[in-house]
Amino acid sequence: DVKVTQSSRYLVKRTGEKVFLECVQDMDHENMFWYRQDPGLGLRLIYFSYDVKMKEKGDIPEGYSVSREKKERFSLILESASTNQTSMYLCASSRSRDLNSPLHFGNGTRLTVT
Amino acid sequence: DQQVKQNSPSLSVQEGRISILNCDYTNSMFDYFLWYKKYPAEGPTFLISISSIKDKNEDGRFTVFLNKSAKHLSLHIVPSQPGDSAVYFCAARLRLSNFGNEKLTFGTGTRLTIIP
Repeated sequence: DVKVTQSSRYLVKRTGEKVFLECVQDMDHENMFWYRQDPGLGLRLIYFSYDVKMKEKGDIPEGYSVSREKKERFSLILESASTNQTSMYLCASSRSRDLNSPLHFGNGTRLTVT
Repeated sequence: DQQVKQNSPSLSVQEGRISILNCDYTNSMFDYFLWYKKYPAEGPTFLISISSIKDKNEDGRFTVFLNKSAKHLSLHIVPSQPGDSAVYFCAARLRLSNFGNEKLTFGTGTRLTIIP
């Protein structure tokens, strides 16, 4: 079974802090993704990566950056946290060689910015 | 601009009856569609999918129908069970290259409640 692990289930940070959300997958997947889930807005793609050191902007990248130094690890960085970044953050991975491989999600990190 | 829409935020269905969840999309380049199920405090889990070259895919109690001309897909659950109560997201895939790079766009979700 694919396992996608997000390091924290709950985080509380102050406005202006730099925040790191970590995600690790154990199935040697090439593709990794960061989404945020908000009521009434569904899942929105922040950033994604197809390979080590590669990154692509998703639909709402503003205020975020990412890092992929190793294939299994994909980090989301909030450079200066703001209250509108309070949300549920979901990491996912998929295998690019299998054309119909679905995304596998972690259990999410609920971030509160005060 | 929401390219994948689920117009019903919630749906209640009696146990044993059919649940029908709907999803509309606007981008004709989407080539693959998926349904995910999400329980509170958990990540979404994959449920069923359909390729754009098909119009129906069935897996046990779950069937997905695709109407390409209407840009509409639906998920049917028969019979509905209490454990089906969850939020359901439809998602549409855009292939970005021949090497498997992809991007999934999700709908806003429908909360399904099965009434015992």
